[in-house]
Amino acid sequence: DAKTTQPPSMDCAEGRAANLPCNHSTISGNEYVYWYRQIHSQGPQYIIHGLKNNETNEMASLIITEDRKSSTLILPHATLRDTAVYYCIVSAGGTSYGKLTFGQGTILTVHP
Amino acid sequence: EADIYQTPRYLVIGTGKKITLECSQTMGHDKMYWYQQDPGMELHLIHYSYGVNSTEKGDLSSESTVSRIRTEHFPLTLESARPSHTSQYLCASSERLGYTFGSGTRLTVV
Repeated sequence: DAKTTQPPSMDCAEGRAANLPCNHSTISGNEYVYWYRQIHSQGPQYIIHGLKNNETNEMASLIITEDRKSSTLILPHATLRDTAVYYCIVSAGGTSYGKLTFGQGTILTVHP
Repeated sequence: EADIYQTPRYLVIGTGKKITLECSQTMGHDKMYWYQQDPGMELHLIHYSYGVNSTEKGDLSSESTVSRIRTEHFPLTLESARPSHTSQYLCASSERLGYTFGSGTRLTVV
């Protein structure tokens, strides 16, 4: 699986959009970009994933650049409960979907 | 409402004891995983299974063993617990769209 690079920490004001970047310059054609988050020491929670098109769900939006070498997770209106470690992971999807390798992630702190 | 269950949630046990951490899922997923995570550190994959009677070691070497006799059940066993095994153990299962994690077992070996 391709390696990802994320900033170690970010801050965001409550109510503002949180934009979390991820670089994955060695991504291959069949690899998806997945985002998970981990609040405290709970099990990580799936947020969103995409291949090459931008994606949106009830939790977040995922913007993938045209060359697929980087992406941004957007939390449109961050709340205090969004404070967590956010992991960007690249892995083959579909029927090849398998084990995920979690890096250090980005610690997002949402301030009042 | 959790579809993957881990028990116990917390466990304090003496050195040398044999322990089994339980993990069950009700989603019918074929693929299941065990991760180990020390406080403030990364998650490391220690075991995984792609179906009944299939088990593989993960990226991080572990003295634990696993079994997969039924689709829904993926227990992890430590034959002789040591203080170095103190950690959080997270179980997960997956299908096409993503992983579902359990709440974890926080193990302390004294």
